[in-house]
Amino acid sequence: NAGVTQTPKFRILKIGQSMTLQCTQDMNHNYMYWYRQDPGMGLKLIYYSVGAGITDKGEVPNGYNVSRSTTEDFPLRLELAAPSQTSVYFCASSYSNLAGVYNEQFFGPGTRLTVL
Amino acid sequence: GENVEQHPSTLSVQEGDSAVIKCTYSDSASNYFPWYKQELGKRPQLIIDIRSNVGEKKDQRIAVTLNKTAKHFSLHITETQPEDSAVYFCAATETSGGYQKVTFGTGTKLQVIP
Repeated sequence: NAGVTQTPKFRILKIGQSMTLQCTQDMNHNYMYWYRQDPGMGLKLIYYSVGAGITDKGEVPNGYNVSRSTTEDFPLRLELAAPSQTSVYFCASSYSNLAGVYNEQFFGPGTRLTVL
Repeated sequence: GENVEQHPSTLSVQEGDSAVIKCTYSDSASNYFPWYKQELGKRPQLIIDIRSNVGEKKDQRIAVTLNKTAKHFSLHITETQPEDSAVYFCAATETSGGYQKVTFGTGTKLQVIP
């Protein structure tokens, strides 16, 4: 199992450019998440998904979009990049069964994004 | 929604001493409480977790306690070692609208001084 993988590892964008951060998990997890972590700070939830075709906003969704067409993939789209989006982005996944038993989140290695 | 407060924000201990990090949560419906360790430049990784039907859980030098009545849970690290230096995050998981929602604390930077 590769677990949760993210690409790219690093990226520099110019203001106004767009890009997609890729996230894939091979653990058949139903839940997937996108977080951003600013230097020295905690994790802020951007978007999450409870299964293919279902997504919802987190704490800081403005400037981002997501889609979940398959169980494995959960890409994050940045439109019109701004310096405030400079951060480390973590994708995560977890499994919750129908009885509502929740389990740990597995995180990807992160994407370090700089917007200049 | 859920609100998780974590204290202290920074903690320095001498090697071999114990470290305690405390978290409080607001929603009594939360029923799963994981703790994650994040080393510098790395991803967060689970170190221990506890469910609401258990009051305490131990794994070698690490233990977590949960007080549902007071809505707080704590991480205890005994015999600290330099490799324990990292940022630790607590989290509370609740059901909202039939879906799992996870709220993280703001993190505690632990420094173990050799």
